Amino acid sequence: SQQGEEDPQALSIQEGENATMNCSYKTSINNLQWYRQNSGRGLVHLILIRSNEREKHSGRLRVTLDTSKKSSSLLITASRAADTASYFCATLAYGAQKLVFGQGTRLTINP
Amino acid sequence: DTAVSQTPKYLVTQMGNDKSIKCEQNLGHDTMYWYKQDSKKFLKIMFSYNNKELIINETVPNRFSPKSPDKAHLNLHINSLELGDSAVYFCASSQGEGPWGNEQFFGPGTRLTVL
Repeated sequence: SQQGEEDPQALSIQEGENATMNCSYKTSINNLQWYRQNSGRGLVHLILIRSNEREKHSGRLRVTLDTSKKSSSLLITASRAADTASYFCATLAYGAQKLVFGQGTRLTINP
Repeated sequence: DTAVSQTPKYLVTQMGNDKSIKCEQNLGHDTMYWYKQDSKKFLKIMFSYNNKELIINETVPNRFSPKSPDKAHLNLHINSLELGDSAVYFCASSQGEGPWGNEQFFGPGTRLTVL
């Protein structure tokens, strides 16, 4: 069964605003990863957060992980038109050998 | 200097045909994967290989056969193509320890259309 589920499925904001996407999952995880996919392209890794971490930053990206709620969020600050893409969370469950991806959040940044 | 490359980028073929997609990575990674992304953007793993050995073989029809001639290459051969095989297929690779714990690097994808 699908592990990660993103919310919302689609998000449209104005350039300069912050974008927040959420991911919920079902089983205990080893780590959770966020990926970006531009239209017609492959996925690009953004951030990996391990189960013993609560927050990670990378440039304008901030990821939080709440293992008690089995959820994660990705915050993009000061959004730009180039941030327009689909964002996927992927989880690695304990003992598993594969990442399980959610269906993604489609983010549109309006100029 | 492409990290993970796939050929072809587009593949249009008739039902019943046999086709192959090739993947190469120049990152020195030990583990490679094939994923299928359907029209709803749902990405699902099909196979993974670590140092040319099959690690993951999801419930994929046996019409799909991966082949890894060396750890830098993982090809996907599909026999007797069906309409439902139409999707985007992504190759990916990751470092060292295997699929667990590491970021994956994706190729640009191969859009397969079966008519």
